Amino acid sequence: GAVVSQHPSWVICKSGTSVKIECRSLDFQATTMFWYRQFPKQSLMLMATSNEGSKATYEQGVEKDKFLINHASLTLSTLTVTSAHPEDSSFYICSGLGAETQYFGPGTRLLVL
Amino acid sequence: GEDVEQSLFLSVREGDSSVINCTYTDSSSTYLYWYKQEPGAGLQLLTYIFSNMDMKQDQRLTVLLNKKDKHLSLRIADTQTGDSAIYFCAERRNQAGTALIFGKGTTLSVSS
Repeated sequence: GAVVSQHPSWVICKSGTSVKIECRSLDFQATTMFWYRQFPKQSLMLMATSNEGSKATYEQGVEKDKFLINHASLTLSTLTVTSAHPEDSSFYICSGLGAETQYFGPGTRLLVL
Repeated sequence: GEDVEQSLFLSVREGDSSVINCTYTDSSSTYLYWYKQEPGAGLQLLTYIFSNMDMKQDQRLTVLLNKKDKHLSLRIADTQTGDSAIYFCAERRNQAGTALIFGKGTTLSVSS
């Protein structure tokens, strides 16, 4: 099956710093990638839809200036959490859209101190 | 309603069958999915069913789809302790390129 990787898998940062998370489709081209956020014991909440070569579409309530998304190639999308605060601590999961389904990355756990 | 609904917990004994139920929202959804998430890990696609099918079987997994009631179920035969995880039901609504809409997940606990 198709594989999506994320890097890093774990990141701890100080409040006020920015953190970049990479999402790569390893064996397929993903014109569309999605970024989700998951709080403990809760479901995945879609943050934004990222299309290669164009601006991301953000879900209601997600600040686009805080969560910067860049989808510069068919295999790479990045999410940058700018000026991170403790309430941004969460599990961030990306997915790439394949022919019939989405293929999910393993997730990145962010802890902001 | 607007949410994909799942029961939150299911507890079974090893060797029994598990049935996880889901009610989705859009009768025109094209694909319906079951994902498995183990603690601290990402989502693993278990199986999916296209909306024109009633049933799909894949080894120990059986998916049943009732479009009239917008009801989806996942049956795991001969449940093992390694099946303990959170299972998410998701629908892909009938819009090109749209993201999946997830339920809150059912935590399956398998005791030996």
